[in-house]
Order: sequence, then C-alpha cells, then structure tokens
Amino acid sequence: KAGVTQTPRYLIKTRGQQVTLSCSPISGHRSVSWYQQTPGQGLQFLFEYFSETQRNKGNFPGRFSGRQFSNSRSEMNVSTLELGDSALYLCASSLEAGAQPQHFGDGTRLSIL
Amino acid sequence: DQQVKQNSPSLSVQEGRISILNCDYTNSMFDYFLWYKKYPAEGPTFLISISSIKDKNEDGRFTVFLNKSAKHLSLHIVPSQPGDSAVYFCAASATTTGAGSYQLTFGKGTKLSVIP
Repeated sequence: KAGVTQTPRYLIKTRGQQVTLSCSPISGHRSVSWYQQTPGQGLQFLFEYFSETQRNKGNFPGRFSGRQFSNSRSEMNVSTLELGDSALYLCASSLEAGAQPQHFGDGTRLSIL
Repeated sequence: DQQVKQNSPSLSVQEGRISILNCDYTNSMFDYFLWYKKYPAEGPTFLISISSIKDKNEDGRFTVFLNKSAKHLSLHIVPSQPGDSAVYFCAASATTTGAGSYQLTFGKGTKLSVIP
C-alpha cells in the first residue's frame, strides 16, 4: 500500500516568488493536514482539509494557503516567499477528519535564497 | 507558549537496556497522545498512541504510560536496539473541543542514540 506522497522532494526559490507543493494521501484517506518543520519552532500545524474544505488553520500569515481536490489530493501554496519560509513541509493523511493516527509523507524541503 | 514539551533534547542508551523518553503537556483539553519516530530525510513514522481513558498501552517493545494528573507521558523501549536511533516526537490532540479540528501539537523531539 503506497504511503503519503509529496512532490517535489526538494525546491529552491528566491525571495518574492511563490511556490506550490503537492500531496497525495494514502489511498482511501480523506483528511489531509499540512505541517511546517523548522529547527527553531519544531513541527507546527498549518491547515487541515477534509471533503475539499479547510477545517482549521494554524497561526500562519495569509501568504500560506491550500486546497483539496475531489480525489483528496491536496496542494499548498506560499506566495511572496520570505527567507524564514525555508523549512521542511510535511503532509499527513488520515482516514476521516479527526481520525488518528495521521500518517506522514517524507516532506518537501524548501530553501529560499 | 509550548503546550507539549520534551525537555531532553538527546538521550544515549546502551543496546539491550531500556530507553525512557519523557513528554509533558499543559493543555488539559488534550485527550489523545501519540509518539512518532523520525529518521533523517524521512517523514515522522507513527509508533504508538494512547487515549486519555487509559494509563498504559503496549505494542511489542514499545510501551506508553500516561499520568493525567501530572500531565506527563513517557515512552519505554525495551530492549533498545541500534535501529531505534532516531528523533522521537511526542504529539497531542484534543478530540473533543468541538472545533472540528484534530490537529497535532508536537514537542520539539528527543534524539535517541542506542550504542552497540
């Protein structure tokens, strides 16, 4: 059974650009959450999607956005990139909204120059 | 304000001995707790979880203990093996807030090194 797939694995961007990251959940999983991992702040919740609806959002600026498609695949977008956005972005899926555990992908490493 | 704290950034244990990783939380709404293991360049892998209605859950070499009154949980690994060397994250979720979200709040991790 395939796990959570995130693409791309690595990405280099410059300040001011925008970026889109993709996540395919485990087959049959309908809930997708996104997390940001940095050395200073650790793993922090970005947002959660279920049935193409954002159910909750963490404490991040509006430059961070996402969406979920009818096949449960999800994308997150970061606009006007800043140096501080350099991080590992992790996607996690679970069967239903609120179901635990969440299963994580290997992440997208985003570096901002 | 950190709601989930892992106060030991690192821990070294001899192979075959017990590893004990600790985690404290402050939010009394948390009622479900999980441990994840993370190797470099990989995402966190789910290990074991416990609901607040229990005080112990066991899965093979891994046991999680929950002390609700102290807002403390611990992960015991017995016996420890070199392949257990990784960063371990404690995570908590509030499943009954009614807010419709079950986001995980993570500690900052403990790096476990099991010495052969």
